[in-house]
Amino acid sequence: QKEVEQNSGPLSVPEGAIASLNCTYSDRGSQSFFWYRQYSGKSPELIMFIYSNGDKEDGRFTAQLNKASQYVSLLIRDSQPSDSATYLCAVTEGGSEKLVFGKGMKLTVNP
Amino acid sequence: EPEVTQTPSHQVTQMGQEVILRCVPISNHLYFYWYRQILGQKVEFLVSFYNNEISEKSEIFDDQFSVERPDGSNFTLKIRSTKLEDSAMYFCASSFRGYEQYFGPGTRLTVT
Repeated sequence: QKEVEQNSGPLSVPEGAIASLNCTYSDRGSQSFFWYRQYSGKSPELIMFIYSNGDKEDGRFTAQLNKASQYVSLLIRDSQPSDSATYLCAVTEGGSEKLVFGKGMKLTVNP
Repeated sequence: EPEVTQTPSHQVTQMGQEVILRCVPISNHLYFYWYRQILGQKVEFLVSFYNNEISEKSEIFDDQFSVERPDGSNFTLKIRSTKLEDSAMYFCASSFRGYEQYFGPGTRLTVT
């Protein structure tokens, strides 16, 4: 069974701080990696995707991928109260479009 | 910005009844998906659909489930005989090239 693991959290950071969210995956054949944000009662919203080792930056968000260690992380700089949500890590296996999701990490940014 | 839309937002049905959940994917997208999320649990893949046929399905997607693209814009999920354990949020998603998937707002299905 392919697994995607996230720290259960919750994570609480003050406004303006860096929030760091981590995810590990079990399938070495995984090729595509995604971070979704899910507000309570809402649907997952795609915020970052990364396909190659290294860092990818988009505004206040940076995704980091290390395939050798099988982990992917999301950094949120200058965290805002509006970033308070559950962050879902999702992974696809080679040859499949199926997203395998982690349980999610609840982030609270305190004003 | 184009969005995936879903109807209805909430569906209440009795056990054993058939339900059809509807989705309108983003207009130039070619790949379509259904996922579900039972309250407090992970988002789970149900099925993917491309070129008018199922490309992949999960163990959850048994004979009680079917999908259809009846016209150029709609994508539907049918559950033939609902069970209590089918109660969940059902999300439709679409993708242009089979990588980044964009989710609709979901349909909350409650089976009583």
